[in-house]
Amino acid sequence: EAGVAQSPRYKIIEKRQSVAFWCNPISGHATLYWYQQILGQGPKLLIQFQNNGVVDDSQLPKDRFSAERLKGVDSTLKIQPAKLEDSAVYLCASSLAPWLAGEKGQFFGPGTRLTVL
Amino acid sequence: KQEVTQIPAALSVPEGENLVLNCSFTDSAIYNLQWFRQDPGKGLTSLLLIQSSQREQTSGRLNASLDKSSGRSTLYIAASQPGDSATYLCAADNYGQNFVFGPGTRLSVLP
Repeated sequence: EAGVAQSPRYKIIEKRQSVAFWCNPISGHATLYWYQQILGQGPKLLIQFQNNGVVDDSQLPKDRFSAERLKGVDSTLKIQPAKLEDSAVYLCASSLAPWLAGEKGQFFGPGTRLTVL
Repeated sequence: KQEVTQIPAALSVPEGENLVLNCSFTDSAIYNLQWFRQDPGKGLTSLLLIQSSQREQTSGRLNASLDKSSGRSTLYIAASQPGDSATYLCAADNYGQNFVFGPGTRLSVLP
């Protein structure tokens, strides 16, 4: 079974530039999450999709961050314009819907390490 | 609002020791609790998932317990090995609405 795929793995940009991250979840996983992990901290949920609908985006800085999940499969997270404090690892995860039998929790991709100069 | 804490923040033990990592959460209305391992510069690897109706789960040398009434989960690692060195994170799932992670415990197992 293929895991969660993310690209790029690393990105360095100047502040005020824009950047986009891509995620391909495990096949059949209806739920997709984007997390931000700052060095030394646990991941913080930015947005959660159920199929192509947003379940929770309460911690997404909507003035600069946006995310979409077209056709309920792949997802893109965008930052425009980037700030210095956006330097972090951006993790994508997927899971079966929690209420389905066989729920095994979240599976994570390798992450994208973003450095904003 | 769910808050998750982990104690200790860091732990260093000699190889072969048994150890316990602690995770506390403020809202007991969770659907499940999941333990992860994170190696430096890598993503998260799922270790164990405990659903709200369960009290514990075991995988090899790992055992995780869940006590919803007290808002606690523990991860027990038996006969620790240098390869167990990593950061261990727990995450509480509030009925599929949102996941909240703890800050992690950084474990070093010395040969």
